[in-house]
Amino acid sequence: AQSVAQPEDQVNVAEGNPLTVKCTYSVSGNPYLFWYVQYPNRGLQFLLKYITGDNLVKGSYGFEAEFNKSQTSFHLKKPSALVSDSALYFCAVRALPGYSSASKIIFGSGTRLSIRP
Amino acid sequence: DTGVSQNPRHKITKRGQNVTFRCDPISEHNRLYWYRQTLGQGPEFLTYFQNEAQLEKSRLLSDRFSAERPKGSFSTLEIQRTEQGDSAMYLCASSFGDRVNIQYFGAGTRLSVL
Repeated sequence: AQSVAQPEDQVNVAEGNPLTVKCTYSVSGNPYLFWYVQYPNRGLQFLLKYITGDNLVKGSYGFEAEFNKSQTSFHLKKPSALVSDSALYFCAVRALPGYSSASKIIFGSGTRLSIRP
Repeated sequence: DTGVSQNPRHKITKRGQNVTFRCDPISEHNRLYWYRQTLGQGPEFLTYFQNEAQLEKSRLLSDRFSAERPKGSFSTLEIQRTEQGDSAMYLCASSFGDRVNIQYFGAGTRLSVL
C-alpha cells in the first residue's frame, strides 16, 4: 500500500536560514512524488514534482526537493527562508499507471512551516 | 479566474440533513477528484472521474455519499443524512490526462454538521 510520512508536525526557522521539510514514502514500483503548499483559506497549490530524471527538482517560489531512492525520501528544501513561506506543506505520492489504485494521490499529514523574522 | 471553483465555500447543516456541493474544474481538464480533509490531516482521497465515468471510489465513501459528473464538466458531491463525523473540508481537484497528473485544487467547501 502507498503511504507518505511527514515526521515533523512543525518546523521553525529564522528568516534567511535554510529550511528542510522531511518526507518519506512507501509505494509499489517507481513513484511520482509531489509537494503542495496550503495557505489559510486557500486551496492546495502545487510546488514541484518528481517523475524521473535528476534527483534534484526545482519548483515554485525557490523551493527544491531531493529524491533519494535508497532512503525513500523526498525532502523539501529552500536555501533562504522568507516569512511569506510560512504555511502548511504536504508531501504526496502516486504510483505509476498500471498499478492498482494508481490514479489517486496519497498525502502526508502535513508539516506547518513557521518562519520568524 | 480559470481555476477550480467550489461552491459553497461554507455550509452549516443540522445532523440528518442532506447537503450537496459543486465543483467546476478547469475547463480542459478531463479528470476530477474529490478529497476530504480534517483538521491536522492531509487530504484523503474519496473518488475520481475521468470525463463522466466514476473510475474509483475510496472505502471512505459510505453509502450516504454520492458523486456525479453528468456531462464530464462540473461535479456534485452529495451527502445524505449528515452526521457530525462528516464535518470536514471537502476539496475538489482537476487534472488533464494522466501522465503528468498535476492536480489543481479548489479552495474547498467547509462543512459543519451541528
